[in-house]
Amino acid sequence: GNSVTQMEGPVTLSEEAFLTINCTYTATGYPSLFWYVQYPGEGLQLLLKATKADDKGSNKGFEATYRKETTSFHLEKGSVQVSDSAVYFCALINQAGTALIFGKGTTLSVSS
Amino acid sequence: NAGVTQTPKFQVLKTGQSMTLQCAQDMNHEYMSWYRQDPGMGLRLIHYSVGAGITDQGEVPNGYNVSRSTTEDFPLRLLSAAPSQTSVYFCASSKNTEAFFGQGTRLTVV
Repeated sequence: GNSVTQMEGPVTLSEEAFLTINCTYTATGYPSLFWYVQYPGEGLQLLLKATKADDKGSNKGFEATYRKETTSFHLEKGSVQVSDSAVYFCALINQAGTALIFGKGTTLSVSS
Repeated sequence: NAGVTQTPKFQVLKTGQSMTLQCAQDMNHEYMSWYRQDPGMGLRLIHYSVGAGITDQGEVPNGYNVSRSTTEDFPLRLLSAAPSQTSVYFCASSKNTEAFFGQGTRLTVV
């Protein structure tokens, strides 16, 4: 079945450091891929998405490229800020296109 | 534009009690779903619906019931609460692969 595996946290960085959060997936076909972010005490917000191989999603300085050959969708940001501290979830949409399948989440903590 | 509204935000139940978590969306989305979030487990799908009158089970459906009588509403019922159902519950609605989430309901079963 479909599944998502992302690196375990927590990830602790200093402000302006480079961020990578790894995500790999198992799926039939070529599902759309997503990164969601959850700030403390809030619900999930869509951060970026990619709908086909080699697409690059980007938003707020974050980027992720849909790599079919490695079944990966790693999240990157060149210079993190304290305000980026949150939990990040990688996800794909199920075969029927009706619901999301999430990784376990990676907690990012950025200090000044 | 309210988006997805969940009520209540917090709830404490005794073991064996029943309750309904409410979810409403005003975006006319066909797809709605319920997830639970537990530490170290990510979000797991409980039930989902592809339209009024149509529901299906997700990964962890036991102990929960849903119905979808209107496009707007998708309530989640706990029939007999158990401590294992202590969690944060999120409702989502989606269209064209993009999902919108409510603020969550933090449920504690004692």
